[in-house]
Amino acid sequence: NAGVTQTPKFQVLKTGQSMTLQCAQDMNHEYMSWYRQDPGMGLRLIHYSVGAGITDQGEVPNGYNVSRSTTEDFPLRLLSAAPSQTSVYFCASRKNRVFNEKLFFGSGTQLSVL
Amino acid sequence: AQTVTQSQPEMSVQEAETVTLSCTYDTSESNYYLFWYKQPPSRQMILVIRQEAYKQQNATENRFSVNFQKAAKSFSLKISDSQLGDTAMYFCAFMTGGNTGKLIFGQGTTLQVKP
Repeated sequence: NAGVTQTPKFQVLKTGQSMTLQCAQDMNHEYMSWYRQDPGMGLRLIHYSVGAGITDQGEVPNGYNVSRSTTEDFPLRLLSAAPSQTSVYFCASRKNRVFNEKLFFGSGTQLSVL
Repeated sequence: AQTVTQSQPEMSVQEAETVTLSCTYDTSESNYYLFWYKQPPSRQMILVIRQEAYKQQNATENRFSVNFQKAAKSFSLKISDSQLGDTAMYFCAFMTGGNTGKLIFGQGTTLQVKP
């Protein structure tokens, strides 16, 4: 079982470039989410999805887009990267939206925007 | 809006001693879950322990235990017999109920266990 797989692990972008962070899970989880981790601020929720075709905004959604066309995949798109988006990004999934289920995390993507 | 606050940015403890990490939260909900996650230098997020708000009994997992004070909205983590492998950043987190089940994290506490 691969669990939650994030790619790439590291990425450097120039301001204004676009890119997609990939997230895939093979556990048939309904719930998937994206967090960003910044020093002194913990992890903050960017977007989440409770099932295929359903997405919603978290605490810090500006500058990011998501879609959920399949149960397995939940990509995060940066349309025009900014230095403020330099961060470590985590994808996480859970079996369903029930809040007592364990959240499984990917290994993270370290993104630098120059 | 729910918030989670960890007031101790950094802590240290001698190997084999006991340390307590603090966490407070704010919510108007009556039922929710609280978690402690560990993030070692590998960056992996590891669930340490979780507590159901409607349970009076404090959760325990081996050397890790919590002191859950619902009225005070406090959820501290006690690590007994600290080991070098406990060196990590620790995050307190609160999970909302309802349809979204969002997990909200505190700022984190960096714990160093000294030999």
